[in-house]
Amino acid sequence: NAGVTQTPKFQVLKTGQSMTLQCAQDMNHEYMSWYRQDPGMGLRLIHYSVGAGITDQGEVPNGYNVSRSTTEDFPLRLLSAAPSQTSVYFCASSSPRDRGTDTQYFGPGTRLTVL
Amino acid sequence: AQSVSQHNHHVILSEAASLELGCNYSYGGTVNLFWYVQYPGQHLQLLLKYFSGDPLVKGIKGFEAEFIKSKFSFNLRKPSVQWSDTAEYFCAGTYGGATNKLIFGTGTLLAVQP
Repeated sequence: NAGVTQTPKFQVLKTGQSMTLQCAQDMNHEYMSWYRQDPGMGLRLIHYSVGAGITDQGEVPNGYNVSRSTTEDFPLRLLSAAPSQTSVYFCASSSPRDRGTDTQYFGPGTRLTVL
Repeated sequence: AQSVSQHNHHVILSEAASLELGCNYSYGGTVNLFWYVQYPGQHLQLLLKYFSGDPLVKGIKGFEAEFIKSKFSFNLRKPSVQWSDTAEYFCAGTYGGATNKLIFGTGTLLAVQP
């Protein structure tokens, strides 16, 4: 199993550009989430999904869109990039079938810089 | 609001010293607690987790944590650190069975000097 994969690893954007961060998992997990990591702030939840076709907002959703058309993929779209979105983005997945013991597995991250 | 807090932002230790990193969580009903580690340039890895049962949880690489409900704490410990433990450590929790919505502390950067 590859686990959770993310592409690209690094990206530089100009203010106003749009882009999509890709996330895929091969563990057949129902739950997937996007977090951003900023110095001194830990990780904060952006959006999450509990299954294909179902998404919801986390703590910091503004400026981001998500969709979940398949169990495996959960892309994160930046509609109009802003310098405040400079961050490291992590995707994670987990399964409610492991009730009581489920754990989120994290991808390697995408480091995004918005100029 | 539900929250997880870490009060040690930056810790420097010598090899073989004992480690204790603090983590406190807010009251919010059923809580599951985790410690994740992020080595330089790598993604988050799970060190240990607490869901129920024995409040003393043992994890990988010699780490352990104790869930103390009366103190709302879940401190991470290791009796003797190594240079390879240099990393950032995150405490996190989920509330009310929302297992896909982790609430993270701000992290503790641990530097172990050889």
